[in-house]
Amino acid sequence: GAVVSQHPSWVICKSGTSVKIECRSLDFQATTMFWYRQFPKQSLMLMATSNEGSKATYEQGVEKDKFLINHASLTLSTLTVTSAHPEDSSFYICSAWGQDEQYFGPGTRLTVT
Amino acid sequence: DAKTTQPPSMDCAEGRAANLPCNHSTISGNEYVYWYRQIHSQGPQYIIHGLKNNETNEMASLIITEDRKSSTLILPHATLRDTAVYYCIVRTNRDDKIIFGKGTRLHILP
Repeated sequence: GAVVSQHPSWVICKSGTSVKIECRSLDFQATTMFWYRQFPKQSLMLMATSNEGSKATYEQGVEKDKFLINHASLTLSTLTVTSAHPEDSSFYICSAWGQDEQYFGPGTRLTVT
Repeated sequence: DAKTTQPPSMDCAEGRAANLPCNHSTISGNEYVYWYRQIHSQGPQYIIHGLKNNETNEMASLIITEDRKSSTLILPHATLRDTAVYYCIVRTNRDDKIIFGKGTRLHILP
């Protein structure tokens, strides 16, 4: 079946720095990808919809200048957390539609110290 | 907001069938019922989906009531590896974003 990968699987960064998370569709093309955030013991929260070749669509309450999304090709979307703060520490998950269902990446755990 | 209601948690004995209910009383005619699960610290995994008819695959069975206002996901022989949070979602076309509710945390008891 279709596979979505994320890199890195975990990252630790210092407060004030930026960190980039990659989401790749490995054996299919994805014009649309989705980014989610999940805090401990909570459900996944949709952050934004990433559209290949155009601007991302952000959900209400998500700062577009803080969470930069780039979908430069049909197999790659990136999420950059800029000027990270400890409250940005979370589990970030991407997803994309494959042949007939939506596939999710394994997630990236971000810890901001 | 999520369009489904699920119990927050359930227990099931290992080897028994796990029946997870979902209420979706406001579902419209062109919306499918999807089930995903999330094992701890992993991305969600697709399980099954259906529109009107009951569905079965290698992982589970999906029973949808005739009025489509509720459904039940059945894991026929639960194992410890089925311990996860199970999400019931209704959606229309394939490009719809998925909005997750709180799901049901299923505990499989040895």
